[in-house]
Amino acid sequence: EVQLLESGGGLVQPGGSLRLSCVASGFTFSSYAMSWVRQAPGKGLEWVSGISGSGGSTDYADSVKGRVTISRDNSKNTLYLQMSSLRAEDTAVYYCAKDWNLVLAASYFDYWGQGTLVTVSS
Amino acid sequence: QSVLTQPPSVSGAPGQRVTISCTGGSSNIGSGYDVHWYQQLPAAAPKLLIYGNNNRPSGVPDRFSGSKSGTSASLVITGLQAEDEADYYCQSYDTSLSGWRVFGGGTKLTVL
Repeated sequence: EVQLLESGGGLVQPGGSLRLSCVASGFTFSSYAMSWVRQAPGKGLEWVSGISGSGGSTDYADSVKGRVTISRDNSKNTLYLQMSSLRAEDTAVYYCAKDWNLVLAASYFDYWGQGTLVTVSS
Repeated sequence: QSVLTQPPSVSGAPGQRVTISCTGGSSNIGSGYDVHWYQQLPAAAPKLLIYGNNNRPSGVPDRFSGSKSGTSASLVITGLQAEDEADYYCQSYDTSLSGWRVFGGGTKLTVL
């Protein structure tokens, strides 16, 4: 059974930093691209960042480019999102999502974690 | 404003059929990219409902179906049930933006 378990969310002040983690199980982690997708309170889904199975290719939404870094440790089956210069508009539930593909391409997310809430407020 | 446009809400009585539209443009659906659909039950994570325009993952009832034509796609739910009340999102790929995985704004389905 595929499981994705996010952690690392919390309350952070504007301008602060946070690192999210997602531990995966139930599949060969290195064989699939992974993404982070966020959902602001009462709003829709927004793709944030993606990384290929090898970790050699990454991509970011314009809204976070330069402020977040996605990475993965395939030996630990773990996906990360390092966020800095956080703003109020970054407040959201952040979901870890498994891609159907190995590479970053036009694809879909076949499994999602339960999410971790990030609140940016003073 | 989302790249893919969905109606904010739809409703139907139990047993009825409802359709949720997803309208894009020439840089996404109109370029031939597939459309995928997700169901998000209240206070839950999204779940894949339809992939590749009209394919259901294992375990998804055949009451759910998808289609795509031109720059639009549709999700059809037949035999509506109370447990179908949820938010539904379409998703595709867009070549005009960085942040290529794009979602619709979501549609709230109310079962009357």
